[in-house]
Order: sequence, then structure tokens, then C-alpha cells
Amino acid sequence: KQEVTQIPAALSVPEGENLVLNCSFTDSAIYNLQWFRQDPGKGLTSLLLIQSSQREQTSGRLNASLDKSSGRSTLYIAASQPGDSATYLCAVGETSGSRLTFGEGTQLTVNP
Amino acid sequence: DADVTQTPRNRITKTGKRIMLECSQTKGHDRMYWYRQDPGLGLRLIYYSFDVKDINKGEISDGYSVSRQAQAKFSLSLESAIPNQTALYFCATSDTTVAQGVQYFGPGTRLTVL
Repeated sequence: KQEVTQIPAALSVPEGENLVLNCSFTDSAIYNLQWFRQDPGKGLTSLLLIQSSQREQTSGRLNASLDKSSGRSTLYIAASQPGDSATYLCAVGETSGSRLTFGEGTQLTVNP
Repeated sequence: DADVTQTPRNRITKTGKRIMLECSQTKGHDRMYWYRQDPGLGLRLIYYSFDVKDINKGEISDGYSVSRQAQAKFSLSLESAIPNQTALYFCATSDTTVAQGVQYFGPGTRLTVL
């Protein structure tokens, strides 16, 4: 059974810092890995999707990497802003490509 | 208008009551999912459907049932609600071909069972 762990559970940083969120998974036979953002009272928004054959994906100030062999992914946020404050969830897609196993998330607070 | 909508957004009910949560999507996706989110446990898959004639149990289907009324509609029922079904429930959709697995989520339904 796939298990996904995210470290740290919570993170508080001053505005402008570059930061890294970590995600690890136990079964390397994955189809893809997604990073989501969750804001209070709202649903999840997909930030980045990395296919199993890819090493990284970038969108604006966000960069996600994937190392399947070690069962790890990182989400790098450059020049953090207060608007980045949210919970970030990592989810691993099984080999069929549609079922996701989620981590518990990292709650990020960026202080002005 | 939102692509994935859920009704109701909030619901408080009593133990033993039957509850239906509804999900509609305008994205034209074939695949739809129901998850629940609990503090400390993350999101867990309850049921999923790959098309109108296909229903599959997820990780935690006991105590729940679903109905795929149309491509755009997927409802989740709690036949006899119990307090440990208090949670945040999310519906999601995905396209079988174009997005290669990206899932789009609704805003969630916060359910409280007293």
C-alpha cells in the first residue's frame, strides 16, 4: 500500500525567503505526482503535475522535482509572498493514472 | 461559473439520518471521485467512477454509496450517518486523455454528524 509523507507539517517564514517542501512515498511504481494548494474554505488547486518519466516541472516561482528511485519529491517556492500562505498537498498517482494517494500536507505561513 | 460544484457546502445532521451530497461538473470529464479529508489523515478516496456505467470502491467505502446519474453528476450518500463520518468531503474529476491524470476539485462540503 502506497504511503505518502510530507515534512514539515507546518512552516512559517518571512516574506521573500526561498523554501522547500518535502514529500516522500514508499512505492516507486508511480504514474505521476501532483502538488496541490488548499486554501481554507476552498477546494484543492493543482499546481504542478510531474509524469513518472520526468524529473521536474516549473510554473512561475514554483519548481517541483521528482526522484522516483529514492521515493522523493520537492516543491521549491522562490521569493515567497504572503499570498503563498496555504496548505500544500503532495499526491501520488498509481499506475492506472487516476487514483491518487495524498500526504497530510504542509501548512505554510508567509509573514509580511 | 465553477467547473466542479458541490451541494450543499455545509450540512449539520443527526446520527441515523440519510444524507446525500451532490457533485456536478461542466468540464466534460469521464472520471469522477469522492474523497473525505480528516485532520491528521489527509484525503482518502471513498468511491470513483470512470464512466456512467462504472463504479469502484476506494480506500474507505464502508458506510457510503454512490450514484453516477450522468456523465456530469456523481452523488455520494450516507444511508445512516454516524459521528465519525464528520469530515470535509471533496468531489473531483479528471480527463482520461488530455490532462494525463490531473484532477480538478470542487470546493468541498463540510459535514457534521451530531
